[in-house]
Amino acid sequence: QSVLTQPPSVSGAPGQRVTISCTGSSSNIGARFDVHWYQQLPGTAPKLLIYGNSNRPSGVPGRFSGSKSGTSASLAVTGLQAEDEADYYCQSYDSSLSAYVFGTGTKVTVL
Amino acid sequence: QITLKESGPTLVKPTQTLTLTCTFSGFSLSTSGVGVGWIRQPPGKALEWLALIYWDDAKRYSPSLKSRLTITKDTSKNQVVLTMTSVDPVDTATYYCAHRPFFRGVITGPFDYWGQGTLVTVSS
Repeated sequence: QSVLTQPPSVSGAPGQRVTISCTGSSSNIGARFDVHWYQQLPGTAPKLLIYGNSNRPSGVPGRFSGSKSGTSASLAVTGLQAEDEADYYCQSYDSSLSAYVFGTGTKVTVL
Repeated sequence: QITLKESGPTLVKPTQTLTLTCTFSGFSLSTSGVGVGWIRQPPGKALEWLALIYWDDAKRYSPSLKSRLTITKDTSKNQVVLTMTSVDPVDTATYYCAHRPFFRGVITGPFDYWGQGTLVTVSS
């Protein structure tokens, strides 16, 4: 049972903006541990999308952005494209568990 | 270019011990701050972190699985090995190994490069 909660699914039409929330607590996101985001296309390994709350690795399109505030973080996708249809996971560290933790995952559907 | 690849059995019987090997290239596990982690994903379910080993041989384990897991490294062979004892059908999953770089300290870094994963089925 994950300590980081995400909505099971979000959807949007091509070109729209969608956001995915990642809700934690004072022992992980609220404790100022960084949040990272991963994209997992069907049948493939996860790929790092955002690191350190808001940084994009080389090659990740600028339409992906991340933010963090308090005990939550968010991933935004602007100008949604068909190729963005995938599962997305947030990840952080929990000091109470002394463990790396992943979110529950969100499936993004492009209508 | 960093690459990682998992290897091991595809089918394991309940109560047996599972041994998985991660063979990597493009980095050294003796470089300060670097780590290699194992993450698994049951079919249709979310990612679950299992274990991580650091360049200095420090190890961290998932609290819920700590008693069953052992992670080791062989720096000369560029390999990290994960063993899981007393496997059960609920351990059926795709197992990934991933590179963990130094980032703002040794704890908060992301998993920036992942292997392709290996599906392990636990069944009699």
